[in-house]
Amino acid sequence: GQQVMQIPQYQHVQEGEDFTTYCNSSTTLSNIQWYKQRPGGHPVFLIQLVKSGEVKKQKRLTFQFGEAKKNSSLHITATQTTDVGTYFCAGGGADGLTFGKGTHLIIQP
Amino acid sequence: DSGVTQTPKHLITATGQRVTLRCSPRSGDLSVYWYQQSLDQGLQFLIQYYNGEERAKGNILERFSAQQFPDLHSELNLSSLELGDSALYFCASSVGGPSGYTFGSGTRLTVV
Repeated sequence: GQQVMQIPQYQHVQEGEDFTTYCNSSTTLSNIQWYKQRPGGHPVFLIQLVKSGEVKKQKRLTFQFGEAKKNSSLHITATQTTDVGTYFCAGGGADGLTFGKGTHLIIQP
Repeated sequence: DSGVTQTPKHLITATGQRVTLRCSPRSGDLSVYWYQQSLDQGLQFLIQYYNGEERAKGNILERFSAQQFPDLHSELNLSSLELGDSALYFCASSVGGPSGYTFGSGTRLTVV
């Protein structure tokens, strides 16, 4: 079945540094979604990308969908302590939505 | 408040027991999904219902079952519980089709 791999598993950054998490699928995706889960919280939907090569921005967050629709990335510019949490990608395909294992973002003040 | 309501928030029970987790989806959402989240295991998809009917099955054990009722709320039944079933169980809902999921706050199940 469909597999979605996400790297890195953990990322430590100093506050103010940039952060990127990458998502790769074994199959072509119909769409990719990104979620954020704060410590002790539940996943919260951030965005959905549908088109090949699509780039979307939300303030300091930039989301990209690869040309082949098999990979995606989330980039955060100048991290803040409020960015702490786990970022999940989720790929849409024939098997429905498949979540990656997430990247835990740890920020040191 | 996400609009998806899960009860109870916490549950502690003994091995071999049976529990029922409840989920009320966001108003207007027809699809309900159940996920299990263990430490460092990400979100494991269990099962999906759409407007009362089972739509997709993931890694759901035979000891687990679910249903969606006419009012669209859903229940996840976990039986013959084992220590390894201790986890966070999330319910999510969506309007259906390729749209974002709205997650509930989860039920933390501890099997002792």
